[in-house]
Amino acid sequence: GQQVMQIPQYQHVQEGEDFTTYCNSSTTLSNIQWYKQRPGGHPVFLIQLVKSGEVKKQKRLTFQFGEAKKNSSLHITATQTTDVGTYFCAGRWITSYDKVIFGPGTSLSVIP
Amino acid sequence: SAVISQKPSRDICQRGTSLTIQCQVDSQVTMMFWYRQQPGQSLTLIATANQGSEATYESGFVIDKFPISRPNLTFSTLTVSNMSPEDSSIYLCSVEFGSDYGYTFGSGTRLTVV
Repeated sequence: GQQVMQIPQYQHVQEGEDFTTYCNSSTTLSNIQWYKQRPGGHPVFLIQLVKSGEVKKQKRLTFQFGEAKKNSSLHITATQTTDVGTYFCAGRWITSYDKVIFGPGTSLSVIP
Repeated sequence: SAVISQKPSRDICQRGTSLTIQCQVDSQVTMMFWYRQQPGQSLTLIATANQGSEATYESGFVIDKFPISRPNLTFSTLTVSNMSPEDSSIYLCSVEFGSDYGYTFGSGTRLTVV
């Protein structure tokens, strides 16, 4: 079925360390989106990747889409306490283009 | 980006009763989405609501339990019927204003069934 897996489930880092979360689908994606959810908040859209091998940057965040369009990653450089939250990838497939399926998320804790 | 107003923000309900959650968007959208998020878990799509037609439900969700209304292009309701403690969760509505902007979520309804 259509699903995306995400690792790790939890990550605890010291402030200033880097952080990476990985998202994987067994089938080719049409595109992939990334969201951040702060504790007690709702998910907020970060970015969408569409093209094979695409790389996008937002300040300290770097997003990559794999060449086969089956995996993606989010890398945060020099984490800050404001990065705390759960990061979700959400995949969209051409056969079900009107919706996305969310991955299980990676919960990031930053130790000051 | 859109503004979505969702209410109630939270409620505590008795088992066997029903709760209707409202979602108002500040602009017209074709599709509205209803999600459930259990504590510490990911988001699970319940159904997609199109104006003028019946909602499309995902596997594991049925209309009798989660009836949805979509009377116009800016408003939708989700009812959680005949509630049990297992229905305790956060329910979120969402819209997509164009694929480049991703999904915008309401602030959610935290439901506790006792």
